[in-house]
Amino acid sequence: DIQMTQSPSSLFASVGDRVAVTCRASQSITNYLNWYQQKPGKAPKLLIYGASTLQSGVPSRFSGSGSGTDFTLTISSLEPEDIATYYCQQSFSALWTFGRGTKVEIK
Amino acid sequence: QVQLQESGPGLVKPSETLSLTCTVSGASMSDFSCNWIRQSAGKGLEWIGRVSSTGTTHHNPSLKSRVTMSVDASKNQFFLKFSSLTAADTAVYFCARAFMVRGVIGFDYWGQGMLVTVSS
Repeated sequence: DIQMTQSPSSLFASVGDRVAVTCRASQSITNYLNWYQQKPGKAPKLLIYGASTLQSGVPSRFSGSGSGTDFTLTISSLEPEDIATYYCQQSFSALWTFGRGTKVEIK
Repeated sequence: QVQLQESGPGLVKPSETLSLTCTVSGASMSDFSCNWIRQSAGKGLEWIGRVSSTGTTHHNPSLKSRVTMSVDASKNQFFLKFSSLTAADTAVYFCARAFMVRGVIGFDYWGQGMLVTVSS
């Protein structure tokens, strides 16, 4: 199985801050990496696919970068509605796996 | 508007079989890939497997022996059966549609999730 490791597991930031969440794969997954946002009691929502392509309707303050084993989700200016847990997911192997999540909270 | 809705029992006894249904609306069933994903505090998000509108299935190898997936395209419904349940299978169960763009596969539409508790 390809293991997906996210860091940090949680972070506190202020509204307007630039926030970065990282995801590392246990082997190269080229760009087969997606990011999701999940709010309490809700299903995950697709933000970015293919490491850097913004899903339709997602605000442009979200961006993704990386390839191979190291990936980053960046929120350029944190908004109160961005408080959520963020997950990465790989589709490189036949067994699709997720990271354990990064919880973003307001300072 | 594509919508997915899970239904089934919220409480199942240990050793019994869970049966869940995912009903799809607002989407064509042709080429529809329904994925079952669960989320628990212990294991986080775990992909269980997928079933296409033609009935082709792919399983998570670690769960394959206990999982059966099927489809009734005429009713826009997909089904999950999960046998020999234990408390470790307590989780929120989601169905989600998979899409593929340039080889990348992600989940763009999700059901609201169904909490399933395994307890006597």
